[in-house]
Amino acid sequence: GESVGLHLPTLSVQEGDNSIINCAYSNSASDYFIWYKQESGKGPQFIIDIRSNMDKRQGQRVTVLLNKTVKHLSLQIAATQPGDSAVYFCADFGSDTGRRALTFGSGTRLQVQP
Amino acid sequence: DGGITQSPKYLFRKEGQNVTLSCEQNLNHDAMYWYRQDPGQGLRLIYYSQIVNDFQKGDIAEGYSVSREKKESFPLTVTSAQKNPTAFYLCASSIEIGTGKEQYFGPGTRLTVT
Repeated sequence: GESVGLHLPTLSVQEGDNSIINCAYSNSASDYFIWYKQESGKGPQFIIDIRSNMDKRQGQRVTVLLNKTVKHLSLQIAATQPGDSAVYFCADFGSDTGRRALTFGSGTRLQVQP
Repeated sequence: DGGITQSPKYLFRKEGQNVTLSCEQNLNHDAMYWYRQDPGQGLRLIYYSQIVNDFQKGDIAEGYSVSREKKESFPLTVTSAQKNPTAFYLCASSIEIGTGKEQYFGPGTRLTVT
């Protein structure tokens, strides 16, 4: 994921609407991508992951889309609920480098309005 | 109940003191990680360990030290050399390293140094 500075971008949606959270990554050789949800004061929780040989993967109410051509990842949340309010992080892993750990983006704050 | 535990949840120290943060996992995972998170920012990698008695520096290792004497434990010491130690510290583990795998996170320790 790429750093976008000190201030988290915020996405505000109405309850019941669909949410789309976007993420850009920089390593063209990244082959594994993952989305995490982090509630205030807690550790991140796994949402969904995808490998580079796929362009779409669906979970329960969530879909991840991967566009390797433009190095872009998105998380779609269907029928957003107040409990979805949190900060969402994307992360990627590239086996081409000596770095053997995920690289995290700076996150997007999702606010769900009742 | 399997998972990752970090203790304590809140830690206060005076400037100039070293402090050790605990991280324990009972998931039988080989790989463990330490991240630092500052307000409104993503996770930055401090250190990681692929296996017992082995660890590598991450992106911001200066002022920190770790040990991995047991598979279950990966304590992090924040030394007095760390210029800005106040932050939220997250420990994570994954089943293996090198192929890109989901990392499971602990609940975090918020360290305040005055």
